[in-house]
Amino acid sequence: GQQVMQIPQYQHVQEGEDFTTYCNSSTTLSNIQWYKQRPGGHPVFLIQLVKSGEVKKQKRLTFQFGEAKKNSSLHITATQTTDVGTYFCASTTSGTYKYIFGTGTRLKVLA
Amino acid sequence: NAGVTQTPKFRILKIGQSMTLQCTQDMNHNYMYWYRQDPGMGLKLIYYSVGAGITDKGEVPNGYNVSRSTTEDFPLRLELAAPSQTSVYFCASSYSPPSGVYYEQYFGPGTRLTVT
Repeated sequence: GQQVMQIPQYQHVQEGEDFTTYCNSSTTLSNIQWYKQRPGGHPVFLIQLVKSGEVKKQKRLTFQFGEAKKNSSLHITATQTTDVGTYFCASTTSGTYKYIFGTGTRLKVLA
Repeated sequence: NAGVTQTPKFRILKIGQSMTLQCTQDMNHNYMYWYRQDPGMGLKLIYYSVGAGITDKGEVPNGYNVSRSTTEDFPLRLELAAPSQTSVYFCASSYSPPSGVYYEQYFGPGTRLTVT
């Protein structure tokens, strides 16, 4: 079945450093959604990418969808302590609404 | 709008007991989902519904049942609880028009379930 792998599993950075998490699939994806989950909280939607090669920015966050629609990345520039949490990618295969979530990347920011 | 609400927030069950996790959304979303999240792991889809009266299995449906009699409510039933069902359960909803465009999922606060 479809699997979505996310790397790295954990990342500790000093405040002000950059951070990137990658999401990889063996099958072509219809879309990619990115969510952030604070410790003890619930996932909160960040963004969705649907087009091949798409790049979207939200302030310090940059999201990319691969040309083959099999991978995606989330890059945070100059991390802040408010960026702490686990970042998940999620996707479906064409024609379904069965979402598969990545394993998540847990980000810790050291002040 | 309250968004997606879930009850209870916490529950401890003994092995073999049954219970229903409640989920309600007030956004008139047609799609609703149940996920479980084990400690330090990602979310796994249990069941989902594309509208009232229509449900379908997700990745890990065994040991669970759902129903969707109204647009707003999507309860998850656990029969014969087992320790392997200890997890945090999230309900989510989203809107999708007939064109098939995907939209964001809104998550409830979760129910933390322990089976001992």
